[in-house]
Amino acid sequence: NAGVTQTPKFQVLKTGQSMTLQCAQDMNHEYMSWYRQDPGMGLRLIHYSVGAGITDQGEVPNGYNVSRSTTEDFPLRLLSAAPSQTSVYFCASSFSVYYEQYFGPGTRLTVT
Amino acid sequence: AQSVTQLDSHVSVSEGTPVLLRCNYSSSYSPSLFWYVQHPNKGLQLLLKYTSAATLVKGINGFEAEFKKSETSFHLTKPSAHMSDAAEYFCVVSLVGQLTFGSGTQLTVLP
Repeated sequence: NAGVTQTPKFQVLKTGQSMTLQCAQDMNHEYMSWYRQDPGMGLRLIHYSVGAGITDQGEVPNGYNVSRSTTEDFPLRLLSAAPSQTSVYFCASSFSVYYEQYFGPGTRLTVT
Repeated sequence: AQSVTQLDSHVSVSEGTPVLLRCNYSSSYSPSLFWYVQHPNKGLQLLLKYTSAATLVKGINGFEAEFKKSETSFHLTKPSAHMSDAAEYFCVVSLVGQLTFGSGTQLTVLP
């Protein structure tokens, strides 16, 4: 099993550009989520999904979109990048929110 | 609403001495609680979890945590620190579809 994979590992964007961060898992997990990690703030939940076709907002959803068309994939879209979105982004998956979350290696995003 | 407070942002210990990382939570219901570890430039790895079975939970690498409902605490301990324990540790509460992370404790282990 590859576990949770994320691409790209690093990305630099200019303000106003859009992009998609990819996340995939091969463990047949229903629950997937996106977090951003900023210094001194832990991880904050952006969006999550409890299964294909079902998504919901987390703590900091503004400026991000998600969709879940398959069990395996959960892409995160930045609609119009802003410097405040400079962060490290982690995708995670699990059988449910009450079980261990498996984290991807992260994507380090810089918006200039 | 649920929240998690990690009481120390940095903890330094000498190798071979005990480790104590403190976590308090607030939740309207009985939560599931986790401790995760993050080594530099890595993703997060589960150390242990509490899900309303035994109040003393044993995890990997010699770590354990005790759930104390009366104190709303879930402190992480290890009897003897190792250099490889140097990392950032996150206390996490899980309730109704969402995880809430504490702000993290950076553990430094001195030789």
